[in-house]
Amino acid sequence: GQQVMQIPQYQHVQEGEDFTTYCNSSTTLSNIQWYKQRPGGHPVFLIQLVKSGEVKKQKRLTFQFGEAKKNSSLHITATQTTDVGTYFCAGHLMQFYFGSGTKLNVKP
Amino acid sequence: SAVISQKPSRDICQRGTSLTIQCQVDSQVTMMFWYRQQPGQSLTLIATANQGSEATYESGFVIDKFPISRPNLTFSTLTVSNMSPEDSSIYLCSVAASLAYNEQFFGPGTRLTVL
Repeated sequence: GQQVMQIPQYQHVQEGEDFTTYCNSSTTLSNIQWYKQRPGGHPVFLIQLVKSGEVKKQKRLTFQFGEAKKNSSLHITATQTTDVGTYFCAGHLMQFYFGSGTKLNVKP
Repeated sequence: SAVISQKPSRDICQRGTSLTIQCQVDSQVTMMFWYRQQPGQSLTLIATANQGSEATYESGFVIDKFPISRPNLTFSTLTVSNMSPEDSSIYLCSVAASLAYNEQFFGPGTRLTVL
């Protein structure tokens, strides 16, 4: 069954608005990765979180790993049209389980 | 990073036939994986391709349906056997330096349509 749940499924925002996607696992993960897939493209690695409570930033993107290592979030500040795509989390528990993805659409 | 190519990029096949997808990496890698992605859906791991031994399949996937070869550290093939329309999907190979703690690099994918 589904090991990693991700919400929301879709998000439509106006350019400049913020965006957040959340991942949740029923079991403790050893680490979690985040990927971005542009329309028609393949997943591209963004970041990996390993430590409990870890927070990492990449320019306008902020990634968090929960204290219990069961949940994670990706927050984008002031979205741009180049942020369009589907964002997947992938939690590691014996293998990587990909979340269902959040499809982000940014209106200019 | 690793550069990965897949052949074919897309194909349209008839029910009951088989298709072999190739994955070539520009450097030797430890781990190679095969995923399936239905359009607009998430990625599901089919198997881990092991060099010199049988692939490790995930629940719901069997060797008779998805035979995999990995003759060396830079190349793998996935065959989709006795295809049905339900096999229509995007098939992606990925590579990583280790199982758990390294990023995966994905190939461009093979878009398969079964009529």
